[in-house]
Amino acid sequence: KAGVTQTPRYLIKTRGQQVTLSCSPISGHRSVSWYQQTPGQGLQFLFEYFSETQRNKGNFPGRFSGRQFSNSRSEMNVSTLELGDSALYLCASSLEDSPLHFGNGTRLTVT
Amino acid sequence: GEDVEQSLFLSVREGDSSVINCTYTDSSSTYLYWYKQEPGAGLQLLTYIFSNMDMKQDQRLTVLLNKKDKHLSLRIADTQTGDSAIYFCAETLSGYSTLTFGKGTMLLVSP
Repeated sequence: KAGVTQTPRYLIKTRGQQVTLSCSPISGHRSVSWYQQTPGQGLQFLFEYFSETQRNKGNFPGRFSGRQFSNSRSEMNVSTLELGDSALYLCASSLEDSPLHFGNGTRLTVT
Repeated sequence: GEDVEQSLFLSVREGDSSVINCTYTDSSSTYLYWYKQEPGAGLQLLTYIFSNMDMKQDQRLTVLLNKKDKHLSLRIADTQTGDSAIYFCAETLSGYSTLTFGKGTMLLVSP
């Protein structure tokens, strides 16, 4: 069974630009969550989607948004990028009320 | 509020046992997890325990939960150099996919 797939693996953007990251969950998993990992703040929850609906949201500004498609694939978007948005963005998928399985992440560098 | 704390660093010799500790503050946490992160990779689910259990063993891994003290530990028997990584403790509530992570413990295994 294929794991969680995130694309692209690496991304370099300039301040002020926007970026879209993609996540394909494990087959059959309908819940997709996104986390940001930085050296200073550690792992922080961004949002969770289930059946195309945002079910929970972390404490991030409105520049961070996401969506989920009918096939459970998910995207997250960050607009007006800031230097502090440089991080590893991790996507995780799960069955209902089951452990999260993470992808290898997208490393975003904002210059 | 929720908070998960871990010691930052542990160094052991190959063949020894490693014990990584974690404390959490949310007494209503239902699931507690251990994830492993190797350089450049995402999070690998190692094991998890329900809050109504005291212990769980899975091959070289033993998880102990002291719910009264809100203390969770991960014991790795016969530690190998390939076990060198960062280990994260995380908690969540039943029915939710929102994990609260500790800052991670870096385990260094020397030959």
